[in-house]
Formats: sequence, structure tokens, C-alpha cells
Amino acid sequence: DIQMTQSPSSVSASVGDRVTITCRASQGISSWLAWYQQKPGKAPKLLIYAASSLQSGVPSRFSGSGSGTDFTLTISSLQPEDFATYYCQQANSFPPFTFGPGTKVDIK
Amino acid sequence: EVQLVESGGGLVQPGGSLRLSCAASGFTFSSYWMSWVRQAPGKGLEWVANIKQDGSEKYYVDSVKGRFTISRDNAKNSLYLQMNSLRAEDTAVYYCARRLYSGSYYVGNWFDPWGQGTLVTVSS
Repeated sequence: DIQMTQSPSSVSASVGDRVTITCRASQGISSWLAWYQQKPGKAPKLLIYAASSLQSGVPSRFSGSGSGTDFTLTISSLQPEDFATYYCQQANSFPPFTFGPGTKVDIK
Repeated sequence: EVQLVESGGGLVQPGGSLRLSCAASGFTFSSYWMSWVRQAPGKGLEWVANIKQDGSEKYYVDSVKGRFTISRDNAKNSLYLQMNSLRAEDTAVYYCARRLYSGSYYVGNWFDPWGQGTLVTVSS
């Protein structure tokens, strides 16, 4: 199975900050990577797929990059509604589809 | 509006069974792969199983193989997860999720949308 890791596990930031989250796959996954946002008590929401494609309706301050084993999610200017946990997910090799452990973005 | 609504969760004793359902609306259900994804309390996301549009292919995470069965009824726009021999470690919120894109050509398994989830608690 492909293992996914994320760093940092948590980050404290202020509104307006630029935030970068990293996801690493245990083996190359080309661009088969997605990012999800999850708020407490809610279902995850797809933000980015195919490493860099912005899902419809997602603000342009979210962007994704990378290929192979190393990927990043960037929030260019953090907004109050962006405080949440973010997960990466690989779709290159399955079963199983695997998720990263998550990165919690909270208020500094 | 595209919508997924899960039901069937609850408290069950270890070794017991439960059947989850997911009612789909707002899209052509029979055109999409569907999945179950779970989240243990305070933990991350774990993909559990998925099923092809016509039910001819099904895949499972190793930890549930032989205990869980995914199925669908396209006439009823419904997805199911039959869970047998439940263990404490199966305690989680179970989400149903649709593959973002329909069709048979693989363009990635991105989960969108998701249902609101249903809580399964396995405890004596």
C-alpha cells in the first residue's frame, strides 16, 4: 500500500497569512493526488484534484502543486473560514485509496 | 442539488451486524463509482470500499475484507454497506462518497460529494 505523510501535523496562523502544507507519498503517484478540507462535525470537502486542479466553487486562494512523491497545498491569504483540517489522498494505486494523517490549521 | 444521505448507524455489540444505506439524488446514480469512507473518533480518514457503476467490481481495505460487503441498487439510487462481525475498531463515522467524474475511463478517484455521515459505535 502507498503510505501518505503530511507536514506539519498542525500549524497556527493568522488571517492573511500564507500557509503551505506538504504531503509526501511513499512511492511515486504521478499527479494522482487530491486535497480535502474538513471542519469539525462536517464531511470533508474536495478542494484540489489531480494535484493542481481547483474544484468548482473553491476560492482561488487555494492552490496545489507537485508530482511524483512530493506535493503542496498553499492557501495564499488565510481567511477565517479556512481554519480546518486538511487531508491529502492518493488515487494512483488501489485498493486501497489512502489518505494522509491530516494537518490542522488553527488560529494563532 | 446533488445529495447523499446516509442512514443505519447506531450502537451494536462486538460480533454484531449492521447495514448502512446511502440515498443518492440529483445525479445519475448508475453512472458513478461509489465508495464508503470512515473516520474513527478524533482520527483521520480511511477508505473502506468501493463499487463500480453496475456492481460488477468491488474493492475493500484489508481490515474489512470478509466482514463487510458493499452493494448498490441503481433502481433505488441507493448504496449499501453490510457490516458483519463488527469490532470495536470499526467504531467510526461512515461516509458515502461519489467519484467526482462518471464514465469508465479512469481520470482519478476523487471523492465528491460526500454525505453527512452516520455514526457506528461498536461496544458492549
